[in-house]
Amino acid sequence: GAGVSQSPSNKVTEKGKDVELRCDPISGHTALYWYRQRLGQGLEFLIYFQGNSAPDKSGLPSDRFSAERTGESVSTLTIQRTQQEDSAVYLCASSPLTSTDTQYFGPGTRLTVL
Amino acid sequence: EDQVTQSPEALRLQEGESSSLNCSYTVSGLRGLFWYRQDPGKGPEFLFTLYSAGEEKEKERLKATLTKKESFLHITAPKPEDSATYLCAVGILTGGGNKLTFGTGTQLKVEL
Repeated sequence: GAGVSQSPSNKVTEKGKDVELRCDPISGHTALYWYRQRLGQGLEFLIYFQGNSAPDKSGLPSDRFSAERTGESVSTLTIQRTQQEDSAVYLCASSPLTSTDTQYFGPGTRLTVL
Repeated sequence: EDQVTQSPEALRLQEGESSSLNCSYTVSGLRGLFWYRQDPGKGPEFLFTLYSAGEEKEKERLKATLTKKESFLHITAPKPEDSATYLCAVGILTGGGNKLTFGTGTQLKVEL
């Protein structure tokens, strides 16, 4: 079956511009996570959605970062006024309700801020 | 503070030369120890989850083990297609979910 998909695969933007990244989870997966992977560093948790519950935003690095999810479908991660330190690969993962522990990752969006 | 440390950072093996990758961790409220494989330009691919000390899981040439402070990923008779970065992560409960804290990975290269 189809896995987690993300778009765009690559995004180059200028400092100060806003960007929007999209994640389509595996159909039926109730939990959705966003992570950031900077060069030479481990993946960092950003935000977690579970059904209609309030999201866990504890990993968002600043108020320039926000994310939304409609029900159990698509999620968008928005970065406002991008900075060079935002350059990274942004990864989305989803989990089924029956096994909320195992996360299945998408291919990521590589963001480059010039 | 929750921490995951992987060693070595990089490992070069000859085909058939078995070895082990290490993941040491300090975490309060462990909810699973996870191993992923990541190929260049791709997202992490799930390999194993371990929950309690003494637990072992196997898949093809890979075997993961867990103690109270560390996990090992043993690679037996590796092949070039096993070349990848292997990531270790610990799961921490977050409002019913499972926030993962990752190590920086071990980059494995298997040569003919």
